[in-house]
Amino acid sequence: DTEVTQTPKHLVMGMTNKKSLKCEQHMGHRAMYWYKQKAKKPPELMFVYSYEKLSINESVPSRFSPECPNSSLLNLHLHALQPEDSALYLCASSQETGLGDTQYFGPGTRLTVL
Amino acid sequence: GNSVTQMEGPVTLSEEAFLTINCTYTATGYPSLFWYVQYPGEGLQLLLKATKADDKGSNKGFEATYRKETTSFHLEKGSVQVSDSAVYFCALSEWVDSSYKLIFGSGTRLLVRP
Repeated sequence: DTEVTQTPKHLVMGMTNKKSLKCEQHMGHRAMYWYKQKAKKPPELMFVYSYEKLSINESVPSRFSPECPNSSLLNLHLHALQPEDSALYLCASSQETGLGDTQYFGPGTRLTVL
Repeated sequence: GNSVTQMEGPVTLSEEAFLTINCTYTATGYPSLFWYVQYPGEGLQLLLKATKADDKGSNKGFEATYRKETTSFHLEKGSVQVSDSAVYFCALSEWVDSSYKLIFGSGTRLLVRP
């Protein structure tokens, strides 16, 4: 099973709301990632967790707060977002963070900030 | 830093035509190379990968060879189908801090007409 699941599929929120995106994998992978993808652009890396510890934060604004409660789950907490944060948010996982490790992507959460 | 350059799209082909999508890279060291495909409204799926020079990755009729001398990883398919219509991303892995991360090209949209 090479499936990464993400919920919700779509999310609409106001600039004062607090919401969370969830990601889950049951492949025994020890690395998990959050990406942001704007329309007609490639994914941009936001965060990397390795063995449940944050290993890369790509200078993401603090209104995005990642959390890795255990090796199968990854959350992205959202607060006080801006309309320009509207995008497809993709979660991925890989066996580890090695050179040739394949990242498996979820279907994404399409976020609209009003 | 490392980078990936892909040919501009969209690429429009008739069914059963031959496909080439060019990808070149700039990297220090010996990165692993990947092709991912994104169908409309979905996340990214790994199409194929190669981890060292002269390796050929292949899957679902698609092929790409890791050419170190020309720093290229061009994607080819002998006979495309309408169902191949999607966006194709070339990517390489780059060492950052304590992890490898993917660097994506800008993506090439393929449209196959019946």
